[in-house]
Amino acid sequence: GENVEQHPSTLSVQEGDSAVIKCTYSDSASNYFPWYKQELGKRPQLIIDIRSNVGEKKDQRIAVTLNKTAKHFSLHITETQPEDSAVYFCAALLDSNYQLIWGAGTKLIIKP
Amino acid sequence: ETGVTQTPRHLVMGMTNKKSLKCEQHLGHNAMYWYKQSAKKPLELMFVYSLEERVENNSVPSRFSPECPNSSHLFLHLHTLQPEDSALYLCASSQEFGQPQHFGDGTRLSIL
Repeated sequence: GENVEQHPSTLSVQEGDSAVIKCTYSDSASNYFPWYKQELGKRPQLIIDIRSNVGEKKDQRIAVTLNKTAKHFSLHITETQPEDSAVYFCAALLDSNYQLIWGAGTKLIIKP
Repeated sequence: ETGVTQTPRHLVMGMTNKKSLKCEQHLGHNAMYWYKQSAKKPLELMFVYSLEERVENNSVPSRFSPECPNSSHLFLHLHTLQPEDSALYLCASSQEFGQPQHFGDGTRLSIL
């Protein structure tokens, strides 16, 4: 079946440094890729998404890049802050049924 | 944010009990979803409803029974659950398929 692989599973960075999380998807027809942030004990919240008609999208300190040829997309967080500590999930929309397939998550730890 | 509300937040039940999880969305969305979230695993899509009609059932055991009486409410009826069913159950909604999904806070279910 279709899947999304997400790496790394845990990422620890110094406050102020950048963090990059990568996902690879299998359905070449996927055209929508959201990223969600889930803080401990809270609901997943959409932080940024990208559609296949663009290669990059930026929102303040957060950016997502998409390489359709290689079937991978990445989340970039610059100038990390303590409140960025959370689990981040990527997902890809299946073309066959318009449902999301999810990565297993990355626990981001921001060290003071 | 109170767009998607789930009750109860926590539930402990024995394997022979019958209970129900409730989800309500106030966003005017047409699609609603049930997900199972287990530690260090991708979100598992269980059921999808569009305009009160079930459109997806990802091979979920019959001990889980969904109900969608209207486009704002979604239930998950539970009976004769197993210990491996212990997890966080998340409800989500979206305007249409392929649109951003908004999540509730989830119900933390523990099976004794």
